[in-house]
Amino acid sequence: KAGVTQTPRYLIKTRGQQVTLSCSPISGHRSVSWYQQTPGQGLQFLFEYFSETQRNKGNFPGRFSGRQFSNSRSEMNVSTLELGDSALYLCASSLLGEPYNEQFFGPGTRLTVL
Amino acid sequence: GDSVTQMEGPVTLSEEAFLTINCTYTATGYPSLFWYVQYPGEGLQLLLKATKADDKGSNKGFEATYRKETTSFHLEKGSVQVSDSAVYFCALVFKAAVNKLTFGGGTRVLVKP
Repeated sequence: KAGVTQTPRYLIKTRGQQVTLSCSPISGHRSVSWYQQTPGQGLQFLFEYFSETQRNKGNFPGRFSGRQFSNSRSEMNVSTLELGDSALYLCASSLLGEPYNEQFFGPGTRLTVL
Repeated sequence: GDSVTQMEGPVTLSEEAFLTINCTYTATGYPSLFWYVQYPGEGLQLLLKATKADDKGSNKGFEATYRKETTSFHLEKGSVQVSDSAVYFCALVFKAAVNKLTFGGGTRVLVKP
């Protein structure tokens, strides 16, 4: 069974640009969550989508947005990039939206903002 | 707000040594607790979990017990191997927030042969 895939794996952008990251969950998984990992702030929750609806949101500015498609694939978008947005962005999927369901993480997309 | 505090690393050990990574949390209510592991260049993998007080999670020789009195979930392994070198994250989640994990800062463990 294929794991969670994220594309692209590496990305370099300049300040002010926007970027779209993609996540394909494990087949059959309907919940997709996004996390930002930085050396300074650690792992921080961005948002979670379940059945195409955003169900939870972390404390990030509106420049960070996401969506989920009917096939459960998800994208996140960051507009007007800042240097501080450089991070590893991790996507995680789980089978259902129920509590304690294991979340399976992808390898991440490493975004560098110059 | 909810938070998780882990001991800072790096923790450097010799093979077959005993490993302990401390984790404490601050939360309103009773969350579920997890340990995740991140190997170099990879995403996170669930190592073990405990969903209520006094539960003990275990996997691959690692153990952690949910201690409500001390709000702790310390990770232990009796005899580490070089392959255990990784970054370990303690995390919590509340039922109401479903898949919204709150992570500790991570502890890097390096096991030398």
